[in-house]
This record gives sequence, structure tokens and C-alpha cells, in this order.
Amino acid sequence: EVQLVESGGGLVQPGGSLRLSCEASGFTFSSYWMTWVRQAPGKGLEWVANIKQDGSEKYYVDSVKGRFSISRDNAKNSLYLHMNSLRAEDTAVYYCARGWVVAGNDYWGQGTLVTVSS
Amino acid sequence: QSVLTQPPSVSGAPGQRVTISCTGSSSNIGAGYDVHWYQQFPGTAPKLLIYGNSNRPSGVPDRFSGSKSGTSASLAITGLQAEDEADYYCQSYDSTLSGSFGGGTKLTVL
Repeated sequence: EVQLVESGGGLVQPGGSLRLSCEASGFTFSSYWMTWVRQAPGKGLEWVANIKQDGSEKYYVDSVKGRFSISRDNAKNSLYLHMNSLRAEDTAVYYCARGWVVAGNDYWGQGTLVTVSS
Repeated sequence: QSVLTQPPSVSGAPGQRVTISCTGSSSNIGAGYDVHWYQQFPGTAPKLLIYGNSNRPSGVPDRFSGSKSGTSASLAITGLQAEDEADYYCQSYDSTLSGSFGGGTKLTVL
């Protein structure tokens, strides 16, 4: 059974940093693109970043470029999102998802809430 | 703002057919990129409903169907049921914004 489990969310002050993790199981992690998607309270889905199987290609939404960094450790079946210089508008539930937009994201984690507030 | 435009809400009575549109442009749907649809219930993660414009993952009822034409795509739900009440999102690759989602459509079953 495919499972994606996010962790690392919490309350952080503006300007602070946080690292989200997503532990994958039930499939060959190293064979798939992976994606982070976020959803602000009461709002729609927003694609944040994705990363190729070997980590050689990474893409970001403009609003997080230079502040967020996506990475993966295929040996640990884990995906990460390093978030720096956090802003109030980064407050959201962050989901990791298998795949990327070309073929759709077929499995999603349960999400982890990031709240940026003083 | 989303590069893919969806109606904020649609509604229908049980048993009826409803459609949700997703309007893009020449940099996404019109460029030939596939459209995917997701269903999301409050407080839960999205679920892939339709991929590659018209394909249903295993387990998705055939009451759900997708189509694409030109710069737009549509999700159709026939035989509407109370449990279909949810938010629906389209997604397509965009040459300027990679993995774009539409703004989402709230389906209300009357």
C-alpha cells in the first residue's frame, strides 16, 4: 500500500525557518517525481515545488523561489521541503504527493500544517 | 491568480448531471498538456479523480468523466449523489507556472 506521511509542521515566527519531511512507503520512491502542494486556510490548492527522480531537476512557484528548497534522499525514501524567510502568507497545510503535473499526482499524504505568526 | 479558471460553485439535484469547466490558455491546456481532476472533501487530502484528460484511476466510478477541447476541459458527473458534494480542482502543466491548479469548484448537491 502506497503511503506518504508528512511531518515537521508547526508554529513559526515570520522570518523563521522550518523543514518539512515526507516519508514514503509501498512503492519504489526513487522511480517517481515528487511534489509539494499547499493549501492556505479556506483557499484552493497551490503547487509549490517538484523534484525529479534523481534530484537533478527542481521547479518552484515564483512566490517561494529563493526561500524554499526541495530535496530528496532516495536511500531513506524521504522528500523534504526546506523553508526559510517564512511569511504569514506561507501559512497553509502542506501536502506531499507522488508524481508531477505531466501525469497527475496519484497519491497524497495527509498534510502538515505550517502556521507563520508572531 | 490561477492560470486555470473554474466556476466557484455548481449545484445539482440527486440523479442529475453536472459539469465543471476548466478554462486555460495557449500556455497550458491549449498547448496540448493533459488535464487532471481532483476531488477534495473538507479536512482531507485531495484525491486524483481523472488523469490524462479522460482516464479514471482504479476505483473511481464511471459516473465521473473528463474531456478536453482546445483551451478548455470539463469534468462531468452523472447520476449525482449526495456523497459527491466536495471541492473539485483541475490541474495542467503551464509553461510559465509548471503545476498549475484551477481555483477550485464547490459542488453542492441540492
